[in-house]
Amino acid sequence: DTGVSQDPRHKITKRGQNVTFRCDPISEHNRLYWYRQTLGQGPEFLTYFQNEAQLEKSRLLSDRFSAERPKGSFSTLEIQRTEQGDSAMYLCASSSRIRRTGELFFGEGSRLTVL
Amino acid sequence: SQQGEEDPQALSIQEGENATMNCSYKTSINNLQWYRQNSGRGLVHLILIRSNEREKHSGRLRVTLDTSKKSSSLLITASRAADTASYFCATDAGAGGGNKLTFGTGTQLKVEL
Repeated sequence: DTGVSQDPRHKITKRGQNVTFRCDPISEHNRLYWYRQTLGQGPEFLTYFQNEAQLEKSRLLSDRFSAERPKGSFSTLEIQRTEQGDSAMYLCASSSRIRRTGELFFGEGSRLTVL
Repeated sequence: SQQGEEDPQALSIQEGENATMNCSYKTSINNLQWYRQNSGRGLVHLILIRSNEREKHSGRLRVTLDTSKKSSSLLITASRAADTASYFCATDAGAGGGNKLTFGTGTQLKVEL
């Protein structure tokens, strides 16, 4: 088990460009979460999936943001028409509903810088 | 939005001393968890305490929970330089499971040799 992996780890883009992040959760985990973390703050919830179903979205997830988990395995988070305020660390986490331990397993994050 | 506040925001101690961090939250919870984050890295789960528990231990960690005051504390005993990191409390308040966590603002701990 290799843990949660995220790609890319770092992304620098110009304002107005689209970016996509990928998350591969722990293989037997059916729940997947996206969080955003800005400097000096705690992670803020964006959205979560159970299998392929997106069950909850935060108000932080504007219409420029879209997340998918097409086959209930990996997930992508796309940000369209990026703005400087989108600069942050995007964290993915997974958990197992079956194990019911409640803990989340985080990836190392994808750091986005919008110039 | 953040669930609550952590106190202190920053803490600097000498190796071997104990470190205590406090967390306050706003809503009823199923459980409260503590995570650690090294600079620029992901978060690592440390310990979980359920709403019907008052104290829990794991190695050098001791967590208390007071649901009447909506507060928790994390004690790290005999700290080491390697404990230098940010520590976050997170609450699970979901009615239907889902394990969505709401994080606090974090405490930056620095342990000096």
